[in-house]
Amino acid sequence: QKEVEQDPGPLSVPEGAIVSLNCTYSNSAFQYFMWYRQYSRKGPELLMYTYSSGNKEDGRFTAQVDKSSKYISLFIRDSQPSDSATYLCAMKRIKAAGNKLTFGGGTRVLVKP
Amino acid sequence: GAVVSQHPSRVICKSGTSVKIECRSLDFQATTMFWYRQFPKQSLMLMATSNEGSKATYEQGVEKDKFLINHASLTLSTLTVTSAHPEDSSFYICSARDGGGAADTQYFGPGTRLTVL
Repeated sequence: QKEVEQDPGPLSVPEGAIVSLNCTYSNSAFQYFMWYRQYSRKGPELLMYTYSSGNKEDGRFTAQVDKSSKYISLFIRDSQPSDSATYLCAMKRIKAAGNKLTFGGGTRVLVKP
Repeated sequence: GAVVSQHPSRVICKSGTSVKIECRSLDFQATTMFWYRQFPKQSLMLMATSNEGSKATYEQGVEKDKFLINHASLTLSTLTVTSAHPEDSSFYICSARDGGGAADTQYFGPGTRLTVL
C-alpha cells in the first residue's frame, strides 16, 4: 500500500463547476501538506501549503486538512479551462530526513468550456 | 513566489554521450536541492537530495556513478547523466528548498526533457 493515495482521474468538469480533489495517507507522522499543479511538460507549481487541520483559502482555491481522518482536499471554485492540469498532493514529516516530500500519484483534471 | 530555473529545457543527444542539466534558484538561497525523474503520466520519482558543499544522497536504485550531482553554491546544482542510453530518456525536474520563506517547502524548476537516440 502506498503511503499517499490519490485517484488518477481523469476528472472532467464543465467550466464554472467546483473541482474537488483529495488524497488519503496512512502515516500520521505527516504534518505538512501541499498541493501542486503541473501542466503538461512543465514543472509542478506550488498552489497551497498547510500545516494545521482545517481550511485555508487563497483566491479560488481552498485546501482542507483532516488529520484525524488522514484526509486532505483541494477545492477549485469557478473552474476555468486553464485549470486543466494534473494536481499533485505532497506531504512532509516534521523532521523529514533530507526534508523529503512524499507525493501522491496525481489527478488529471479536465475543465471543459 | 520563489523561482527556480533549469537549463536546458530540452536536449537530444546520441547514446554514449554525457549531458549536464543546471538548476538555479533565482531569488533565494537553497541549501538543499532535489532531483526528480518523471515518466509520462506518472508522478515524480525522487532521485537524489543535494546539499550545498557536500555529497548528494541518492535514493535506492539510483546509480550515483551514472547520475552525477554537484551542488557547488547556494543557488546552483547540476545533474550530469553520464554515458546516456535510450532508457535514460525522461523528464528531469529539479526543486529547491526555500527554508527561509513562509512555507518551508520545495519549489520546482520547469523541467528538462532528455531524449537519447
